[in-house]
Amino acid sequence: KAGVTQTPRYLIKTRGQQVTLSCSPISGHRSVSWYQQTPGQGLQFLFEYFSETQRNKGNFPGRFSGRQFSNSRSEMNVSTLELGDSALYLCASSLERTSTDTQYFGPGTRLTVL
Amino acid sequence: GNSVTQMEGPVTLSEEAFLTINCTYTATGYPSLFWYVQYPGEGLQLLLKATKADDKGSNKGFEATYRKETTSFHLEKGSVQVSDSAVYFCALSDRSNAGNMLTFGGGTRLMVKP
Repeated sequence: KAGVTQTPRYLIKTRGQQVTLSCSPISGHRSVSWYQQTPGQGLQFLFEYFSETQRNKGNFPGRFSGRQFSNSRSEMNVSTLELGDSALYLCASSLERTSTDTQYFGPGTRLTVL
Repeated sequence: GNSVTQMEGPVTLSEEAFLTINCTYTATGYPSLFWYVQYPGEGLQLLLKATKADDKGSNKGFEATYRKETTSFHLEKGSVQVSDSAVYFCALSDRSNAGNMLTFGGGTRLMVKP
């Protein structure tokens, strides 16, 4: 079974631009979560989607948004990019959304904001 | 709120040495506990997990036991290899969040020398 895939793997943008990242979960998985990884803040939860609805949201500004499609694929969008948005963005999928479910991570999208 | 504390790295060991990476947690509910590993340039891979007190998770020679009385989930391996060099993350998922949002520790870099 194919793992979680994320596209693109690398992105370079300039301040003020917007960006869209894509995530395809493992087939049959219905929950998709997004995390931001930076050297200073570590791994931080962005949001979780299940059945096309945002179920949980982390402590990030409204510039960060996402959505999930009927096939469980998810996108996240960051508008008005800031230098501090440079990070590795990780997508994870799980079968359901209980606390015992394992989340499987993709390879990430590395975003660099200049 | 929830939090996870890991020993800071880097941890440098010689091949075949014994490994312990300490992890303690604070949770408002009754969490599931996970260890993830991240190799350079990759996403996170689940190493092992435990979903209730006294459970022992194990995989690839790594073990960790869910200790509710000490709120700990220390990672151990009896004999490390150079290929174990990576960053290790302890994480929890709290049932009271009605989801599977992961709270991560800061990560511990392990370097194994031949």
